[in-house]
Amino acid sequence: EVQLVESGGGLVQPGGSLRLSCTASGFTFRSYWMTWVRQAPGEGLEWVANIKYDETEKYYADSVKGRFTVSRDNAKNSLYLQMSSLSADDTAVYYCARAWATPGVGPPLSGVWGQGTTVTVSS
Amino acid sequence: DIQMTQSPSSLSASVGDRVTITCRASQSINTHLNWFQQKPGKAPKPLIYAASTLHSDVPSRFSGSGSGTDFTLTISSLQPEDSATYFCLQYYGALTWTFGRGTQVEIK
Repeated sequence: EVQLVESGGGLVQPGGSLRLSCTASGFTFRSYWMTWVRQAPGEGLEWVANIKYDETEKYYADSVKGRFTVSRDNAKNSLYLQMSSLSADDTAVYYCARAWATPGVGPPLSGVWGQGTTVTVSS
Repeated sequence: DIQMTQSPSSLSASVGDRVTITCRASQSINTHLNWFQQKPGKAPKPLIYAASTLHSDVPSRFSGSGSGTDFTLTISSLQPEDSATYFCLQYYGALTWTFGRGTQVEIK
């Protein structure tokens, strides 16, 4: 079964850090770009970051640039999001999703998404 | 950065109605547009990519059109299970993406 499972969410104080993980199974993880998307409570979707299958390219939303770092370990079929200098604006459900194998070929995002992990930034 | 303006923010329609949602990009994005459906507590489900290509297993009552800056998602005959929030996503250039703010579709 093709699956993504996020973990690492929780309550963190403003200014703190947190590392999210996303573990993939059922497909060749090392062949795909991967994406993080977040959704604040009662709000819409916000694209956060993209990472190429070999980590040679990474892209970030302006709202997280310089504070968040996306990485992956293909040997562990795992995707990560290191978040620092967190504020209340970062409170959201964070989803990982499988993206392209090749940019521009087919849909950018497939139907393969995790269930989401909740990050709450509060004192 | 490319901004996406989605409208309306919400709508209410009856079963069988034709429903139209629009997204406008702040600059031309060719046909680099995705549509998603999201139900409460669930991850988004992709409906359409490249502005008009249906993902597999998506009912044919969903269709997309447009290019450049103006795009439309149409549900030709609204069904009860279509009650959800719909989002557009632009994916033009430099692999930095932008979602629209969403349209909540309610069944009367």
